[in-house]
Amino acid sequence: GQQVMQIPQYQHVQEGEDFTTYCNSSTTLSNIQWYKQRPGGHPVFLIQLVKSGEVKKQKRLTFQFGEAKKNSSLHITATQTTDVGTYFCAGGTNFGNEKLTFGTGTRLTIIP
Amino acid sequence: EAEVAQSPRYKITEKSQAVAFWCDPISGHATLYWYRQILGQGPELLVQFQDESVVDDSQLPKDRFSAERLKGVDSTLKIQPAELGDSAMYLCASRRARQVNEKLFFGSGTQLSVL
Repeated sequence: GQQVMQIPQYQHVQEGEDFTTYCNSSTTLSNIQWYKQRPGGHPVFLIQLVKSGEVKKQKRLTFQFGEAKKNSSLHITATQTTDVGTYFCAGGTNFGNEKLTFGTGTRLTIIP
Repeated sequence: EAEVAQSPRYKITEKSQAVAFWCDPISGHATLYWYRQILGQGPELLVQFQDESVVDDSQLPKDRFSAERLKGVDSTLKIQPAELGDSAMYLCASRRARQVNEKLFFGSGTQLSVL
């Protein structure tokens, strides 16, 4: 079945440093969504990418979808303590049954 | 903003007992999902409903898990009998339509501990 892997599994950064998480799918995706889960919370939708090579920005967050639609990345510039949490990508496929498969997640901790 | 409601928030049970979780999706959301999330991992799909029909339950351990959404609105997930390995967060999510490009709205989850 489809697998979605993320690296790194954990990332500890000093406040103000940048952070990047990478997402790789074993199959071609129709779209990719990113979610953030705060400690003790539930996943909350951040953004969706649909087009090959697409880049979207939300303030300090930059999301990219690879040309082959099999990988994606999330980059945070100048991290803040509010960025703490686990970031999940979720790959969508349209092959018979519309399905979102979540990645393994990257847990970000910030050192003040 | 409308939310997905789940109860209970926490559940502690002994192995071999039966447990049930309830979910009420956002009004008008036809598609409902139950996910299981083990600590440190991503959500894993257990079952997907479109209205009252099961669309995908390929990852649901059917010997002990069951799920229903009788009137196409709220849903119940049951485990009988519970096993130690079932300890996890059970998340319910809904989306407006079945299309894969619709975003998911998650409830706060039920944290299950099996002793």
